[in-house]
Amino acid sequence: EVQLVESGGGLVQPGGSLRLSCAASGFTFSDHYMDWVRQAPGKGLEWVGRIRNKANSYSTEYAASVKGRFTISRDDSKNSLYLQMNSLKTEDTAVYYCARVSRSSDFDCWGQGTLVTVSS
Amino acid sequence: DIQMTQSPFSLSASVGDRVTITCRASQDISTYLAWFQQKPGKAPKSLIYAASSLQSGVPSKFSGSGSGTDFSLTIISLQPEDFATYYCQQYKTYPLVFGPGTKVDIK
Repeated sequence: EVQLVESGGGLVQPGGSLRLSCAASGFTFSDHYMDWVRQAPGKGLEWVGRIRNKANSYSTEYAASVKGRFTISRDDSKNSLYLQMNSLKTEDTAVYYCARVSRSSDFDCWGQGTLVTVSS
Repeated sequence: DIQMTQSPFSLSASVGDRVTITCRASQDISTYLAWFQQKPGKAPKSLIYAASSLQSGVPSKFSGSGSGTDFSLTIISLQPEDFATYYCQQYKTYPLVFGPGTKVDIK
């Protein structure tokens, strides 16, 4: 069974940092691009960014709202995806989901999400 | 950036109804369009990709159509488990963008 499990969420002060993890199982993690998507309380879905696979040099893309503050990385040996979030703002408060990108370039599997709250 | 709009913002329907949600892109995205279902407190679920292809395991009561800038999601014979918020998303260019969502609730 394909499974994605996020962890690492919590309460952090504005200006602080947090690292989220996404543990993957049930598929060949190293083959896939992986994305982060977030959802602020009561709001819609917002794409955060993408990391490609080794064959594509682990290159990344980011939303303008997080570029320069957030970094996506992965460890294929641990079947894990990461989101390093620095200089956090109150508007970064959201549930963060990891999502698998299929060979058709769409999202075909989502994690259950982890809540990040940025507040003093 | 490509902008995505959805209509209606919300709709009320009865069990057994057929509903259609529309999604419009601000520029041509060919068929790089996906639909997701989200229930309160839950992660999104992928329903349709490439505008009209069903994800594995998704019942055929869901169907998608369209290309270019105009798309639609149709659900036939609504059941209680179908009441949710539905989002479209373009994945042709970065940044990937979701529509604002359409909430389908019980009349």
